[in-house]
Amino acid sequence: DAKTTQPPSMDCAEGRAANLPCNHSTISGNEYVYWYRQIHSQGPQYIIHGLKNNETNEMASLIITEDRKSSTLILPHATLRDTAVYYCIAQGSGGGADGLTFGKGTHLIIQP
Amino acid sequence: AAGVIQSPRHLIKEKRETATLKCYPIPRHDTVYWYQQGPGQDPQFLISFYEKMQSDKGSIPDRFSAQQFSDYHSELNMSSLELGDSALYFCASSLGRLEAFFGQGTRLTVV
Repeated sequence: DAKTTQPPSMDCAEGRAANLPCNHSTISGNEYVYWYRQIHSQGPQYIIHGLKNNETNEMASLIITEDRKSSTLILPHATLRDTAVYYCIAQGSGGGADGLTFGKGTHLIIQP
Repeated sequence: AAGVIQSPRHLIKEKRETATLKCYPIPRHDTVYWYQQGPGQDPQFLISFYEKMQSDKGSIPDRFSAQQFSDYHSELNMSSLELGDSALYFCASSLGRLEAFFGQGTRLTVV
């Protein structure tokens, strides 16, 4: 699976949009971009995934650049409960949780 | 909605003892995954099962074994426990290759 690079930490004001970047310049054509988050010591939580088109669900939006070398996870209206470590993962074969390489992720802190 | 159930939630064992962790997937999910997360570390994939057969294998030590039963629950057996095995152990389940849901984990402490 391709390596991903994320900033170690970010702050965002409550109620604002949180934009979390991820670099995956070596991603291959069959690898999806997955985002998970982990609130302190809880199990990781799936957020969203995409291959090359932008995706949106009830939790977030995923913007993938045309060359697929980077992506941005957008939490449109961040709340204090969104404080967590966010993991961007490039995974082949699309789907499930086989062999996910979580990396260090971005610790997002939502400020009141 | 039902979630992934892991038991026990906390477990304390002595070195060289054995431990068994259990995972009950979401109803109708046929795939389970096991992850280990050491203190301050990111989750590491151990092993997965699909329809009771091993599907993929990660960095699972030889001292550990796992299986998925006919009712789709899974057990992770850990023998000759070492201090370094102290970690959070997460189980996740999915329906085939669809979205995976993680349980709340079992915190294993080896003393």
